Amino acid sequence: QVQLVQSGAEVKKPGASVKVSCKTSGYTFSDYFIHWVRQAPGQGLEWMGRINPKSGGTSYAQKFQGRVTVTRDTSISTVYMELSRLRSDDTALYYCARDILQPVNYFDPWGQGTLVTVSS
Amino acid sequence: DIQMTQSPSSVSASVGDRVTITCRASRDFSSWFAWYQHKPGKAPRLVIYAVSTLQGGVPSRFSGSGSGTNFSLTINNLQPEDFATYYCQQGMSFPLTFGQGTKVEIK
Repeated sequence: QVQLVQSGAEVKKPGASVKVSCKTSGYTFSDYFIHWVRQAPGQGLEWMGRINPKSGGTSYAQKFQGRVTVTRDTSISTVYMELSRLRSDDTALYYCARDILQPVNYFDPWGQGTLVTVSS
Repeated sequence: DIQMTQSPSSVSASVGDRVTITCRASRDFSSWFAWYQHKPGKAPRLVIYAVSTLQGGVPSRFSGSGSGTNFSLTINNLQPEDFATYYCQQGMSFPLTFGQGTKVEIK
């Protein structure tokens, strides 16, 4: 079955960078876009960006432009999300999610989430 | 950005009840619209996409409707496993945006 397995929790200091991985399995990696969505404590869901695994092309929310980079390694069917210049309000649960078609911007399934804590 | 406004922010209901959640968008985006279910400690789950299409494995007591800027999710015969937070989402315009969520709680 389709699975997205994310890397473990991270604790970072303000100003640092974090790189979260999302390893996929159970389908043809290049056939479906991967999105990143985060949820800050007590808040709702916020879309950050997406990648076309076939071409490597990306789209980002303007809010994160210049701070977020999504990449992929096709040899291991894995997508990465790197967020730089971290601030305390970047503390959140970060999810990767697969598009259901090619692409329609609906997300299913999702990874289990990676907690990123930014604290001095 | 397209703003998505859900109502109510929370609703208390009993097993067997019918619950309807609404979502209003700040502008029309045709049918690029979805609903997600999110339980604490779990990943969100797609329930409905393209306004009214049930995602595979989702029980038929869930239904979606709407057009233009107004959409709704209805859960008939509410079951214990349906108590969760539900989010609407538009998929047409970047940045993709979600509503603030509606928590369905046990009465």
